[in-house]
Amino acid sequence: DQQVKQNSPSLSVQEGRISILNCDYTNSMFDYFLWYKKYPAEGPTFLISISSIKDKNEDGRFTVFLNKSAKHLSLHIVPSQPGDSAVYFCAASARPTSYDKVIFGPGTSLSVIP
Amino acid sequence: DVKVTQSSRYLVKRTGEKVFLECVQDMDHENMFWYRQDPGLGLRLIYFSYDVKMKEKGDIPEGYSVSREKKERFSLILESASTNQTSMYLCASSYRGQGGEKLFFGSGTQLSVL
Repeated sequence: DQQVKQNSPSLSVQEGRISILNCDYTNSMFDYFLWYKKYPAEGPTFLISISSIKDKNEDGRFTVFLNKSAKHLSLHIVPSQPGDSAVYFCAASARPTSYDKVIFGPGTSLSVIP
Repeated sequence: DVKVTQSSRYLVKRTGEKVFLECVQDMDHENMFWYRQDPGLGLRLIYFSYDVKMKEKGDIPEGYSVSREKKERFSLILESASTNQTSMYLCASSYRGQGGEKLFFGSGTQLSVL
């Protein structure tokens, strides 16, 4: 049973528009959430994170929103660029246990159309 | 720059063979992880290690073992490869106590078991 869910396997967005990637989790012990980005033939790279004590974290064009009561988070990319086309993985961890174990979702493939 | 190096990019093995996947990191990270990536399932944790000679089972350890004799090297072993172990294998590392943030991944090994 997946603890981290990304219900949209793929998403297409026009260049310059907003991309919204969604993620849901089931484990209430999770207190740290991350987004990773993966290009083909490369390993995932860390993009942005948010602690459960916050409801928003912003880094340039990327913003992550966390709704703890709904166990839901989302990644907003504004404006979207063709170079953002990649697979985005939502991930979660529960500190301080489990030796920093990170649980990943199935990923959403984003295509930004020029 | 942190570097996580996986010894092979592509590997083709026969059913029943013993397979070694090697991973080396150069940042003195305490934690090292092995994941496998499958379509629709995301990254699933096989094993992780938080110190030399220490190992912990992840979510899908069956059919795998690991070895960590030196801090910088973490090996994944398939004792008797089977076709359902055909997958992309990703190694990652991180500093202890970072709560899962900023995992650094290698480029992956695409293993095909025939």
